Amino acid sequence: SQQGEEDPQALSIQEGENATMNCSYKTSINNLQWYRQNSGRGLVHLILIRSNEREKHSGRLRVTLDTSKKSSSLLITASRAADTASHFCATDAQDTGNQFYFGTGTSLTVIP
Amino acid sequence: NAGVMQNPRHLVRRRGQEARLRCSPMKGHSHVYWYRQLPEEGLKFMVYLQKENIIDESGMPKERFSAEFPKEGPSILRIQQVVRGDSAAYFCASSPTAWNTATNEKLFFGSGTQLSVL
Repeated sequence: SQQGEEDPQALSIQEGENATMNCSYKTSINNLQWYRQNSGRGLVHLILIRSNEREKHSGRLRVTLDTSKKSSSLLITASRAADTASHFCATDAQDTGNQFYFGTGTSLTVIP
Repeated sequence: NAGVMQNPRHLVRRRGQEARLRCSPMKGHSHVYWYRQLPEEGLKFMVYLQKENIIDESGMPKERFSAEFPKEGPSILRIQQVVRGDSAAYFCASSPTAWNTATNEKLFFGSGTQLSVL
């Protein structure tokens, strides 16, 4: 299965600290996306990185992609209590196209 | 421009009953995806539909589950003769175009329907 895995499963930090979450996947991809899910809600898109990109920034978010290691990391700088959520990476698979695969998520708790 | 609307928000069914979950995509979106999420797990792809067509149902269980996206009206995910293992959160997502390498579109998600089977 292409389903990705996030690491760590859960992360608890103080407000203002940085949070790093990692994602590993199994097969070649076209791009990778990160989503956030607040408790009981749907997913909200955060950032997309293409397979030919190595790093991308969006506000307090920084995502890296290492296709040789089949891994990605999401860095949230200067965390806020509102960042408390589950974070998922999602990958497509080069040969399927229609669906993309979500990891099991990292539960981030930011303590005010 | 309303987001993706799913209803009901919560649905309780007894074993053997039918469950109907509705999804109205964002205005202008003609592509709908259904996902299932079990507690403490990620989302599992179920089915991808365009108006009146099922494009990819590779994630859908072969029995009891069906989906449609008629020309008029919302997309419907139907589960017949529900069992306790069907209890999960079901999310619908939509996009204006096909999610593929050319467009790299992101998906817009609804708030989900929490199905509980007693």
